[in-house]
Amino acid sequence: GAGVSQSPRYKVAKRGQDVALRCDPISGHVSLFWYQQALGQGPEFLTYFQNEAQLDKSGLPSDRFFAERPEGSVSTLKIQRTQQEDSAVYLCATRGGHSYEQYFGPGTRLTVT
Amino acid sequence: ELKVEQNPLFLSMQEGKNYTIYCNYSTTSDRLYWYRQDPGKSLESLFVLLSNGAVKQEGRLMASLDTKARLSTLHITAAVHDLSATYFCAVEKGGSEKLVFGKGMKLTVNP
Repeated sequence: GAGVSQSPRYKVAKRGQDVALRCDPISGHVSLFWYQQALGQGPEFLTYFQNEAQLDKSGLPSDRFFAERPEGSVSTLKIQRTQQEDSAVYLCATRGGHSYEQYFGPGTRLTVT
Repeated sequence: ELKVEQNPLFLSMQEGKNYTIYCNYSTTSDRLYWYRQDPGKSLESLFVLLSNGAVKQEGRLMASLDTKARLSTLHITAAVHDLSATYFCAVEKGGSEKLVFGKGMKLTVNP
């Protein structure tokens, strides 16, 4: 079946613009995670959903970051008033069934100029 | 706070050689994961280690877990160029499903 998909794959935003990044999970996967990966670093946790419930948002770096998953499927990560330090790859991962594995999407590379 | 350390962070090795890389973590954890990342690509799951003493092998890679030492190893046997990539270990924080990643080890296998 299809894997995790993310859109757009690349996004260039001017400082101060708002952006919205989309994640389409593997069908039926209950858990959905967002991670931020800066250049040359490992991914860092941002937030986690189980179905539509956001169970942990401790990794969101500021109140400019907001995530939602209103119907327990597609998720959107929104960044308001983007800053240069927001430039990174944003990865979505999902987990479901009896598997412990988190399956990662291709990521969205955000560049803030 | 859970911390994950990998070493080395960079490794250049010749084809045909063996090497072991290490992943240490600071607090008790449920599960340990190894991922591979090629440049500009996403993360590919290699192994999930669930319990003390777990050992898994796939091709030229073998991973093991010692929960008492809070240590996982990834052993490379007879390296080939196709193994060149960045390898991340990640630990699942107890009581939550989120993963804490190490900084990654960039492996270059030279012909």
